[in-house]
Amino acid sequence: GEDVEQSLFLSVREGDSSVINCTYTDSSSTYLYWYKQEPGAGLQLLTYIFSNMDMKQDQRLTVLLNKKDKHLSLRIADTQTGDSAIYFCAESIGNYGQNFVFGPGTRLSVLP
Amino acid sequence: GAVVSQHPSWVICKSGTSVKIECRSLDFQATTMFWYRQFPKQSLMLMATSNEGSKATYEQGVEKDKFLINHASLTLSTLTVTSAHPEDSSFYICSASGRGYLTYNEQFFGPGTRLTVL
Repeated sequence: GEDVEQSLFLSVREGDSSVINCTYTDSSSTYLYWYKQEPGAGLQLLTYIFSNMDMKQDQRLTVLLNKKDKHLSLRIADTQTGDSAIYFCAESIGNYGQNFVFGPGTRLSVLP
Repeated sequence: GAVVSQHPSWVICKSGTSVKIECRSLDFQATTMFWYRQFPKQSLMLMATSNEGSKATYEQGVEKDKFLINHASLTLSTLTVTSAHPEDSSFYICSASGRGYLTYNEQFFGPGTRLTVL
């Protein structure tokens, strides 16, 4: 079945860049997403990338997609303490891309 | 735009009682709503998908008689946990997607409902 993998933890110092990696198995994914979850809260969409793109940049966020290797990454430039959260990678699957498969989440800790 | 709300945000109930959680799309018509369950420090697990006006499609291993889902209108879906037990304690998150307003198959997530069963 479909599977999405992520490393579980990442620590960086404030001001450094963070890179969160994700691998997925379903090559028919239409969109790939990055969501942020702060403690006790729901999911906030950070960014998404269409499967025929290889890069997308949005302010401090850069998404890279290697479709051949089924590898997705999220780079956060100038990481701040407010970026501390869990980051979920998700792929949309199904005939209309309506079902999401989430990775386990990467807990990002930003150290002062 | 594309706001999804959930009510209540936190509920404590006694074992054996039923709890209803509401999920509302506030500014768009949600043709499809999804219910997820999240255990502490774990990812979201899809429980069921519901399309407005039709029966929900449950994922394997999810008891449809225990987790009753109703999607009676384009802005409201409810999840009722029947005869709740402590092992049902979890964070329940709904999401919604719709045609027309949205340019791609994005799901908009509610803030979640934390259920604690004593």
